[in-house]
Amino acid sequence: KQEVTQIPAALSVPEGENLVLNCSFTDSAIYNLQWFRQDPGKGLTSLLLIQSSQREQTSGRLNASLDKSSGRSTLYIAASQPGDSATYLCAVRPINTDKLIFGTGTRLQVFP
Amino acid sequence: NAGVMQNPRHLVRRRGQEARLRCSPMKGHSHVYWYRQLPEEGLKFMVYLQKENIIDESGMPKERFSAEFPKEGPSILRIQQVVRGDSAAYFCASSPRDNKNIQYFGAGTRLSVL
Repeated sequence: KQEVTQIPAALSVPEGENLVLNCSFTDSAIYNLQWFRQDPGKGLTSLLLIQSSQREQTSGRLNASLDKSSGRSTLYIAASQPGDSATYLCAVRPINTDKLIFGTGTRLQVFP
Repeated sequence: NAGVMQNPRHLVRRRGQEARLRCSPMKGHSHVYWYRQLPEEGLKFMVYLQKENIIDESGMPKERFSAEFPKEGPSILRIQQVVRGDSAAYFCASSPRDNKNIQYFGAGTRLSVL
């Protein structure tokens, strides 16, 4: 059974720091891994999608890596800003299914 | 192109009432997914539908919950005889007909059962 874990559960940092959020999954048989952002009371915004054959994806100050064999992904946020404050979720899509399996998220607070 | 539209955004029901949650996928999308987020928990898959077909309902509770995606109109998630434990945020996502690789999420419906 696929399980997704995110560490840390919460993180509070001053503005300007570079951050690493971790995601691990127990079964490497996946189509892809996706990182989302969720603001309080809002829906999910997709940040980055990494296919199983890829090693990383970048968008602006965000970089996500995938090591499928070890069941790990990291989301790197450069030069964090207060506007980055949100909950970050990672989700994997196992092969032979159409559903996403989510981690419980990392709640990030960036203070000025 | 409007995103995935869910309504209502907030829904309050008393125990024993019925809750109907609606989801209109993005234009051109024919795959719909429902997820539930219980307080302080991650999102859990409930059901995957295509037009007029339930493809995977492995995450649906066995009783009181049903879902449909008719040929015309939005997808509906129906919860009969709601209980307090049904209080959660319910999210809908959709994918294009020819690419299920990425799911686009709506803003969710927050159900509160009194």
